[in-house]
Amino acid sequence: TQLLEQSPQFLSIQEGENLTVYCNSSSVFSSLQWYRQEPGEGPVLLVTVVTGGEVKKLKRLTFQFGDARKDSSLHITAAQPGDTGLYLCAGAVSGGSNYKLTFGKGTLLTVNP
Amino acid sequence: NAGVTQTPKFRILKIGQSMTLQCTQDMNHNYMYWYRQDPGMGLKLIYYSVGAGITDKGEVPNGYNVSRSTTEDFPLRLELAAPSQTSVYFCASKRDGLNTEAFFGQGTRLTVV
Repeated sequence: TQLLEQSPQFLSIQEGENLTVYCNSSSVFSSLQWYRQEPGEGPVLLVTVVTGGEVKKLKRLTFQFGDARKDSSLHITAAQPGDTGLYLCAGAVSGGSNYKLTFGKGTLLTVNP
Repeated sequence: NAGVTQTPKFRILKIGQSMTLQCTQDMNHNYMYWYRQDPGMGLKLIYYSVGAGITDKGEVPNGYNVSRSTTEDFPLRLELAAPSQTSVYFCASKRDGLNTEAFFGQGTRLTVV
């Protein structure tokens, strides 16, 4: 069972369109992170959301953390081909005094020129 | 600053062979992780470590072993390679704390034939 469910799994859009991808869980997280991965590379952190209801903006990307801290969304305005990549959400799961970083399956975004 | 370094970048193994995937980081991070990523999919946690001498299983530990004798190094061992272990393997490290950023290596692409 995937702790973090991401949707959609695949998304192909034209340049200039807007899009939203989602990360949902039945568990409460103290924070969620979004990473972006390009082909042949490791994931790179985009943002960390910590407070329920928090909204963070990174140029054309807007990240929101749900009020109950169980879900998050990523909205991209006027997508560009350079936004193409795999978008992954991640959360820390407590295992006693330590914790593991678990990822969703990701949303593979293709922005066509 | 090298960050997280993985070797080798590519490897082809025959069924039943063994190998060690190397991972080293120079950021003095206590937390280190091994993930596998199948084509078009997210990251599945294999093993993780919260410091030298301490390791714990992730979601998919079967067929793998790890050790953490130093803060810098976190090798992943495959004892009897199977075709199901064909994947891209990523090592990551992060500072202590729930919200800290995970830094990834560039990955090792392993094919078992």
